[in-house]
Parts: sequence; C-alpha cells; structure tokens
Amino acid sequence: AQSVTQLDSQVPVFEEAPVELRCNYSSSVSVYLFWYVQYPNQGLQLLLKYLSGSTLVKGINGFEAEFNKSQTSFHLRKPSVHISDTAEYFCAVSVSGGYNKLIFGAGTRLAVHP
Amino acid sequence: GAVVSQHPSRVICKSGTSVKIECRSLDFQATTMFWYRQFPKQSLMLMATSNEGSKATYEQGVEKDKFLINHASLTLSTLTVTSAHPEDSSFYICSASSSGGGEQYFGPGTRLTVT
Repeated sequence: AQSVTQLDSQVPVFEEAPVELRCNYSSSVSVYLFWYVQYPNQGLQLLLKYLSGSTLVKGINGFEAEFNKSQTSFHLRKPSVHISDTAEYFCAVSVSGGYNKLIFGAGTRLAVHP
Repeated sequence: GAVVSQHPSRVICKSGTSVKIECRSLDFQATTMFWYRQFPKQSLMLMATSNEGSKATYEQGVEKDKFLINHASLTLSTLTVTSAHPEDSSFYICSASSSGGGEQYFGPGTRLTVT
C-alpha cells in the first residue's frame, strides 16, 4: 500500500527566505507525485506534479520539487517566499496506471512572517 | 481550463435532515469523480470514487447509506448526506479526472454545518 509522510507539520519562515517542505512516500510500484496548496476555506490548487521524465519539476508561484527515487522523496522548495505563500501544503501520491486515486500526506502549514 | 465547481459553498442544516452537494466539471468530461472529507487542520480523506454510470466505490469505514453518491453524467456528481448529525459537519471537497493520467482537478469545497 502507498503512504505519504510529510515530516513537518508547521514551517515558520521569514519573508524572502528560502524554504523546503519535506515529503517522503512509500510504494512498491511506480507512482505519480503531486504537491497541492490550500488557502483557508478553499479547495486544493495544484502546484506541480511528477509523472515521468526530468526529476526536477517546476511549478507555479516559483515552486519546484525534486523527485528522488532512491530516497523516495519529493521535497518542495522555493528560493524566496512571500507573505502570500502562507497556506497549507499537501504532498500526494497516486499509483500510475490506475484511476489515479490520491493518497495525501498530513499537510505542512507554511507560515511566512514579515 | 479544467475547472470544477461545487454548490453550495456553505450550508447549514438541522440534525436529521438531508443535504445535497453538487460537483460539476465545467469545461471537460469527468469520467471519474472523487469525494473527500477534511476535518479542521487535517488532511483530505478519500470517501468514495465514482465513475460515470456506475455505482460509487466507497473507502473502508464510509457508510454507503449515509453518504449517497450519484454520478449520472460526465459533468455532474452529487453527494447527499442523509439524516445529517453534528458529527457530519466538515469540509467536503470533490475532484474530477478526465482520464487515467493521474491528475485530479479540485472543486473549491463545501462547508457543511449541522446544528
């Protein structure tokens, strides 16, 4: 069975500082990997996804993530955060070839301070 | 493109009544739709998966008779919470997918409060 672990429940950071949100997954088969962002009382917005190909994936709002198969990780990074990046971030995995059932991590609350 | 809407965005109902939540794919045909439930400060938990024209597949622990899901067309799925109780209060989010390619498009969510 697949599972997703987000190692940090909360990440406080100052504005314009770099940030990394960590995600590890467990799966015995090939997977697709996703990062979503959720603003208060809203649905999820896709930041980026890894399906195949280059292991460095660039997404919206200046975010990027790197797929590391040997470490089963898919960490999200941004070189310089803004106050507006304050939100909940979810890492998710789906099994390739299936009907894309998503398994979500517990989420990481990113709090950007001035 | 790939917009999913939900209606209503917020609903308050009395205990014992039923409430229906709609999920629509506005610009694509959704062969598969998913319903999630999210408790405060927690992750999304998949409740059920529905394919157009078929019965929904419920996750373990989700009561089929309480959470009725209908996916009657390629653009509409509904979730009906029957005989709602305060413990059903939650944020319900749907998503839709047009293929088996691994990407889901999420709706904005519906906040259900049962009094």
